[in-house]
Amino acid sequence: AQSVTQLGSHVSVSEGALVLLRCNYSSSVPPYLFWYVQYPNQGLQLLLKYTSAATLVKGINGFEAEFKKSETSFHLTKPSAHMSDAAEYFCAGILTGGGNKLTFGTGTQLKVEL
Amino acid sequence: EAGVTQFPSHSVIEKGQTVTLRCDPISGHDNLYWYRRVMGKEIKFLLHFVKESKQDESGMPNNRFLAERTGGTYSTLKVQPAELEDSGVYFCASGMDRGWQYFGPGTRLTVT
Repeated sequence: AQSVTQLGSHVSVSEGALVLLRCNYSSSVPPYLFWYVQYPNQGLQLLLKYTSAATLVKGINGFEAEFKKSETSFHLTKPSAHMSDAAEYFCAGILTGGGNKLTFGTGTQLKVEL
Repeated sequence: EAGVTQFPSHSVIEKGQTVTLRCDPISGHDNLYWYRRVMGKEIKFLLHFVKESKQDESGMPNNRFLAERTGGTYSTLKVQPAELEDSGVYFCASGMDRGWQYFGPGTRLTVT
């Protein structure tokens, strides 16, 4: 079955350290892929989107993600974590045969420590 | 420009009661989606409207759930009668094109 998988339900980094959140997809053709962030008591905010154009996608708040077809991955990175990055991050995709619906990973809670 | 709004933000009801959730999409967005996240699980698709028509309702769990979108504007999601397993956060999203989905803050439903 086609799916989106996020490795690590909880990730902890030090402030200023690299943030790496992992996402892999399973789809017969390269899908549209997204990263969303949910801050406490808020809705889902779109961070960035891949739609088969550039494989390196830049998003808001200094985040970027690289689409790697050979690895079926779309990992999210940020060079230097800030305390305000603490939130839950969701990888999602519009997969083959899925119409317009988003298929989500289980989410990764990012904790940023001093 | 106003974002997607949802009402209420929280709802606590007893098993067997009825609850209606409302979503107001961004003005001009023909596509409206409902998703749900139950505790500890991933966010799951419920259904998709294009204007007032149901494009895809493959994610609706059972016939206790009824979604409507009158006039292609706001949408309601009614749960009748509610069961304990219906507890979770219900998200609404809207968009103009395939792929762009803007989410509302969600409605947290607790069934006791």
